[in-house]
Amino acid sequence: GQNIDQPTEMTATEGAIVQINCTYQTSGFNGLFWYQQHAGEAPTFLSYNVLDGLEEKGRFSSFLSRSKGYSYLLLKELQMKDSASYLCAVLLRTTDSWGKLQFGAGTQVVVTP
Amino acid sequence: DARVTQTPRHKVTEMGQEVTMRCQPILGHNTVFWYRQTMMQGLELLAYFRNRAPLDDSGMPKDRFSAEMPDATLATLKIQPSEPRDSAVYFCASGLTRDGESYEQYFGPGTRLTVT
Repeated sequence: GQNIDQPTEMTATEGAIVQINCTYQTSGFNGLFWYQQHAGEAPTFLSYNVLDGLEEKGRFSSFLSRSKGYSYLLLKELQMKDSASYLCAVLLRTTDSWGKLQFGAGTQVVVTP
Repeated sequence: DARVTQTPRHKVTEMGQEVTMRCQPILGHNTVFWYRQTMMQGLELLAYFRNRAPLDDSGMPKDRFSAEMPDATLATLKIQPSEPRDSAVYFCASGLTRDGESYEQYFGPGTRLTVT
């Protein structure tokens, strides 16, 4: 089966840094996505890692270690608008699930003043 | 800018009624996904299509759910008969698969379904 774990909730102060960890055990792996979802809205794409290492995109960075089945999303200089759920998703690549995303349950980030 | 559109945005219906949800994927995208999201289960994949062909609908209750793509600009998800446990937000997403590689999925705004 597919297993993707991430913390349920994290709280941080405006201006701080928060790191959201994601561990996965899946049959087949073709990359890892991070999505942001505000309450009542659709998920929106943040980042995609397929090779090991760090991808930086403005205030957000994402890291992947394929050998450890581990990724993290780093949010810097937190703003109130960053309060949202962050979803880790593995792109599966097996004979019957090529191109299918398996989502984690999401991490609710609460940014306080 | 290009977006996935879904209709209706909200639907309230009584148990036993048929529900049809529609999705227009982004022009040029060849892969379409249907997801269901609830507080308890999170985001679950129900079905997906590539080049209009169904590839995987193992996440969908077959006895009452059906998904189709009558053409490249329209995907539909039907529930007949609907039950209260079907109450959820249903998202459609589209993406591009090219040369064996898949890219990010773009989500529509969702249909919030309430079955009473």
